[in-house]
Amino acid sequence: GGIITQTPKFLIGQEGQKLTLKCQQNFNHDTMYWYRQDSGKGLRLIYYSITENDLQKGDLSEGYDASREKKSSFSLTVTSAQKNEMAVFLCASRTGNTLYFGEGSRLIVV
Amino acid sequence: GDSVTQTEGQVTVSESKSLIINCTYSATSIAYPNLFWYVRYPGEGLQLLLKVITAGQKGSSRGFEATYNKETTSFHLQKASVQESDSAVYYCALSEGGNMGYKLTFGTGTSLLVDP
Repeated sequence: GGIITQTPKFLIGQEGQKLTLKCQQNFNHDTMYWYRQDSGKGLRLIYYSITENDLQKGDLSEGYDASREKKSSFSLTVTSAQKNEMAVFLCASRTGNTLYFGEGSRLIVV
Repeated sequence: GDSVTQTEGQVTVSESKSLIINCTYSATSIAYPNLFWYVRYPGEGLQLLLKVITAGQKGSSRGFEATYNKETTSFHLQKASVQESDSAVYYCALSEGGNMGYKLTFGTGTSLLVDP
């Protein structure tokens, strides 16, 4: 089977800093996603990509950039970290109608 | 836009008792979206528990069941007898499908604690 690897597991940054989260998948899936998980708010879609070099905005894209330079990797950048952005970020890839998720990266802004 | 509502944020059930976790949905573009339950066990990533893509059908996995009820727009998760190992966070989700990305909309999650 395949795996989704998110790095780092914990990312600590200062307010106003630009911070990047990375995601790698070895499923060879075309479509990848970044979701943000806040306590009590479920998962909200930030960006997704249906193929290499494609980027599509989700409901929560403001304040974020994404990059899909290779089929296997999808990175997410917080352009200017804010304290209210502390959350868990989940990366996923898709085959058919099933999403496979990584274990998540927790962002801490000090 | 689409929405998924889970009314219980946290549920505590004694081992061997029955469970129901409520989920209702609203889809804006199609009448019958695909419906899912995902689960996050402690220390693990979010994973698919079960799915139903045809209205009126039932899905099942690991002793859990959910029926796609198009009349009440509900997809409640049930189990007849829970075990301590079922303690996890459960998310209901829907997708309108389509070729452009197949986005999922998730509910807020229900944390299940099973008392031994």
